[in-house]
Amino acid sequence: DAGVIQSPRHEVTEMGQEVTLRCKPISGHDYLFWYRQTMMRGLELLIYFNNNVPIDDSGMPEDRFSAKMPNASFSTLKIQPSEPRDSAVYFCASTHWVGTNTGELFFGEGSRLTVL
Amino acid sequence: GDSVTQMEGPVTLSEEACLTINCTYTATGYPSLFWYVQYPGEGLQLLLKATKADDKGSNKGFEATYRKETTSFHLEKGSVQVSDSAVYFCALSTGTASKLTFGTGTRLQVTL
Repeated sequence: DAGVIQSPRHEVTEMGQEVTLRCKPISGHDYLFWYRQTMMRGLELLIYFNNNVPIDDSGMPEDRFSAKMPNASFSTLKIQPSEPRDSAVYFCASTHWVGTNTGELFFGEGSRLTVL
Repeated sequence: GDSVTQMEGPVTLSEEACLTINCTYTATGYPSLFWYVQYPGEGLQLLLKATKADDKGSNKGFEATYRKETTSFHLEKGSVQVSDSAVYFCALSTGTASKLTFGTGTRLQVTL
C-alpha cells in the first residue's frame, strides 16, 4: 500500500519566492496534518484538516503561510513570500479516526525546504 | 496546556548496552502516550503506545510503561543495536482525533 506521499523532497529557493509543498494522504484517511521540524523548535503542528475542512490552524506562524485541501487525496502548504527562517523539514501526516484515541499518525518522508 | 519533556540528547551507547530515554508529561484530561521513531531521512513512525495507566507498550524489543503517579512514560531497551540509531519522540494525545503533542526528540547513536 502506498504511504503518505510528499513532494518535492527537497526545495531550495531564494527569499521572496513562493513555495508550494504537496501531500497525498493515505486513501481512506479523514484527517491530515502538516508539521514543521527544526532543530530549534522541534516538531510543531501547523494545521490539520478533517474531511478536507481546516479544523485548527493556530500553529500557522503568520499570514505568509496558507494550506488547502481541495479534495480527500490532495493538500498543499504554501509560503508566500518565503524567508530564510522558514527553512525546515515539513511533514504531512494522515490518519483515520475510528472513535478511539489510537494516536497513530502516518507520516510522509518530508519536504526539506531551504530558503537562501 | 499539554506538554511533553524528554531528556536531551544525543545519547551515545555501545551495541548491546541498556537504553533508557526519560519522558514526562503534563496534560489536561487523561492522555494516551506514544513513542515515535525517526530514522535518518525518513518520516516519523509509531514505535509503541499505551492508552491507560499501568499499560505497557512494547515493540521491537522496546518497552514503556504508562505511570500516572509520576506522569512518566520512559522508553527502555535491554540491548540496543546499531540499527536502533534514530531520533525518538515521546508524544501524547488527549483525544482530539489523534492530534499529538510531541517532545523535542532524543537522538540515539549506537556504535560497534
